[in-house]
Amino acid sequence: ETGVTQSPTHLIKTRGQQVTLRCSSQSGHNTVSWYQQALGQGPQFIFQYYREEENGRGNFPPRFSGLQFPNYSSELNVNALELDDSALYLCASSLGRSVDYEQYFGPGTRLTVT
Amino acid sequence: DQQVKQNSPSLSVQEGRISILNCDYTNSMFDYFLWYKKYPAEGPTFLISISSIKDKNEDGRFTVFLNKSAKHLSLHIVPSQPGDSAVYFCAAIPAGGTSYGKLTFGQGTILTVHP
Repeated sequence: ETGVTQSPTHLIKTRGQQVTLRCSSQSGHNTVSWYQQALGQGPQFIFQYYREEENGRGNFPPRFSGLQFPNYSSELNVNALELDDSALYLCASSLGRSVDYEQYFGPGTRLTVT
Repeated sequence: DQQVKQNSPSLSVQEGRISILNCDYTNSMFDYFLWYKKYPAEGPTFLISISSIKDKNEDGRFTVFLNKSAKHLSLHIVPSQPGDSAVYFCAAIPAGGTSYGKLTFGQGTILTVHP
């Protein structure tokens, strides 16, 4: 069984640009959550998608947006990049929304904004 | 506003001894708690969890204790092994609503187990 994969592994962008990060969920998982982990901090919840609908959002501005596709892969889009957006972006998939379902994390995408 | 806090950035332990990692929280709406382990270049991996209706949960060498009145939980690893060296995060989930799976993480504690 393939685990959660993310692409690209590393990315360097310039302030003001836009970026799209991708996540391929574990097979059969209909729920995906995205997290931002700044250096020396724990991951911070950005938003969650369940069956292609947004199902909860953390304290992030609207320039952070997402999509979940019918095959349950997903994207995180960030517009008008700022220096503070430099972080490790993690996605996690699960069989459902309940706490009974473990979240499986991908290895992350390291984004650097210069 | 850091709702989940891990006040020890690092912990160093001898192989075979007990490792105790601590976590405090401020939000009384949290009712489910988890510990994750993270190796470099990998995503966090689920370790053990506990519901607020319990005060202890065991899984092999790992035990999590929850003190709701003190808003404190701890992870005990006995005996510690060099392969346990990693960053450990505690995380919490609030009850009900649309917050399923919305994990609030602490800052992490780097555990080093020396042979």
